[in-house]
Amino acid sequence: EVQLVESGGGLVKPGGSLRLSCAASGFTFSSYSMNWVRQAPGKGLEWVSSISSRSSYIYYADSVKGRFTISRDNAKNSLYLQMDSLRADDTGVYYCARDQLGSSDYGMDVWGQGTTVTVSS
Amino acid sequence: SYELTQPPSVSVPPGQTASITCSGDKLGDRYACWYQQKPGQSPVLLIYQDSKRPSGIPERFSGSNSGNTATLTISGTQAMDEADYYCQAWDSSTAVFGGGTKLTVL
Repeated sequence: EVQLVESGGGLVKPGGSLRLSCAASGFTFSSYSMNWVRQAPGKGLEWVSSISSRSSYIYYADSVKGRFTISRDNAKNSLYLQMDSLRADDTGVYYCARDQLGSSDYGMDVWGQGTTVTVSS
Repeated sequence: SYELTQPPSVSVPPGQTASITCSGDKLGDRYACWYQQKPGQSPVLLIYQDSKRPSGIPERFSGSNSGNTATLTISGTQAMDEADYYCQAWDSSTAVFGGGTKLTVL
């Protein structure tokens, strides 16, 4: 079964750090570009970052640029998001999502169940 | 920055056709995707490359994209289709989502 499982969410104080992980299974992880997408409570979806299959291309939303770092370990079938200098408006559910057929042209076809990040003092 | 605009809500009687629009500057020159999200669940890809359906997505879901508007059409809308729907496109290697449309089947 193709699956993505996020972990690492939790409660953190403003200015703090958190590292999210996404474990992939059931497909050849190293062949796919991946994304992080978040959703604030009661709000819509917001793309956070993407990384190509071999980490050659990395992109960030302006809202997280300079604070978040996306990475992956293809040997461990894992995607990561290092989040530093966290702010209250970073609160939400964070999803990892796969680019279908390994390209952003085909949409994000597999999503994890999400991990919740709460930034509050 | 690029923006995609959706109506906040759309209502449709059961069995009828629902249309959800997504507007953006020259959106027709880009590929549009559509996602469905039900309460407490992760998003599901409904449409990619404007009009293609992933395997397992019912035929009643269809899409089009031309000019400045992409449209998701749900034919024979069912109660189970009540959900939030999001359009998405790429702009300069940045993914952009629309604000979402809540579809009510009543």
